Amino acid sequence: SQQGEEDPQALSIQEGENATMNCSYKTSINNLQWYRQNSGRGLVHLILIRSNEREKHSGRLRVTLDTSKKSSSLLITASRAADTASYFCATDANRGSTLGRLYFGRGTQLTVWP
Amino acid sequence: IAGITQAPTSQILAAGRRMTLRCTQDMRHNAMYWYRQDLGLGLRLIHYSNTAGTTGKGEVPDGYSVSRANTDDFPLTLASAVPSQTSVYFCASRGEGITGELFFGEGSRLTVL
Repeated sequence: SQQGEEDPQALSIQEGENATMNCSYKTSINNLQWYRQNSGRGLVHLILIRSNEREKHSGRLRVTLDTSKKSSSLLITASRAADTASYFCATDANRGSTLGRLYFGRGTQLTVWP
Repeated sequence: IAGITQAPTSQILAAGRRMTLRCTQDMRHNAMYWYRQDLGLGLRLIHYSNTAGTTGKGEVPDGYSVSRANTDDFPLTLASAVPSQTSVYFCASRGEGITGELFFGEGSRLTVL
């Protein structure tokens, strides 16, 4: 499988704390993306990092990418109860018959307690 | 509001019946995708289409078919539903060629009895 794999599967923290989620993948990629899913809803794109980038920021989100280790991390700083959701990484293969396909991991369920 | 519209939102279906899940987008995106989401398995790609008139198989295509007669519509058909196809189905389109972010619909929850 070319899926990304998130770690941990579940994360429970208090408001104000930082949340870190990790993603590992297997094949060479064009980019890696992070998505958020609230319960019962569709996925929403958070941030995209290209294979030639090492770090990217968007508001309270910080994403890193290490292509040598085939891994990425998503950091949410100063978390809020509204950040409670499932977070998925998705990898975009960069060649061959899989070009254009986006493969998702199983996700990390983040719970932020008030 | 621009985006992806899926129908039906929810459906209970007897095994052996034929079912078509509809997906329409109004963003003029070329690439569209169908995923199924199952607890513990994340999202798995069923079929995709990089442009109107072309389709391709994803990770779990068996038992499903798609068509892409035009840019806006990408229906997913279950020819003869089986209980293992009970799942939440998400349609998505891609904003930037075949390497940009995906825009998702709200999902179609299908139960096959």
